[in-house]
Amino acid sequence: AQSVAQPEDQVNVAEGNPLTVKCTYSVSGNPYLFWYVQYPNRGLQFLLKYITGDNLVKGSYGFEAEFNKSQTSFHLKKPSALVSDSALYFCAVRGYGSGNTGKLIFGQGTTLQVKP
Amino acid sequence: AAGVIQSPRHLIKEKRETATLKCYPIPRHDTVYWYQQGPGQDPQFLISFYEKMQSDKGSIPDRFSAQQFSDYHSELNMSSLELGDSALYFCASSPGLLPSSYEQYFGPGTRLTVT
Repeated sequence: AQSVAQPEDQVNVAEGNPLTVKCTYSVSGNPYLFWYVQYPNRGLQFLLKYITGDNLVKGSYGFEAEFNKSQTSFHLKKPSALVSDSALYFCAVRGYGSGNTGKLIFGQGTTLQVKP
Repeated sequence: AAGVIQSPRHLIKEKRETATLKCYPIPRHDTVYWYQQGPGQDPQFLISFYEKMQSDKGSIPDRFSAQQFSDYHSELNMSSLELGDSALYFCASSPGLLPSSYEQYFGPGTRLTVT
């Protein structure tokens, strides 16, 4: 069965510093991995995905993620954090259901707090 | 750009009542997913539809049912509501079956409160 884990409930960084939000996955077969961000009382916004190809994936708002097959990780990164990046971040893996339309299986979420 | 629309945004019901949540996917998206997010929890998959047919089913109670209509909008019907059904219900849509289109786009959610 597919699963993802986010080992940190909260990550604190200072504005301007690089940030990393960690995610590890467990899948049977090819992993299709995603990052979403959720602001308070809002829906989830798609940031980026890894389907195949380059291990470094670039996404929205300056975020990127590095796929590492040997470590089964898909960490989210940003070179310089902004206070406005403070939000709840979810890593997700595409599950395999009947047919070809896969549900998303989410990690527990990591709260990112960027301080001025 | 058009986004996923959900209605209502907020809903307050009493125990044992019924509720209907509606979802309008992004135009030309043929796949709809429903998720439930409890307080402080990650979203949990409930059910999905592709081309108006149920395509997958998760941990959805028997008291809940859903369908996708000819215009691709979807409705989640919830009966005999329980206090534990209080949650944020998200609808998401995706544009197709190719890996390049696997991402799902989420609506703002319907916050259901059962009293």
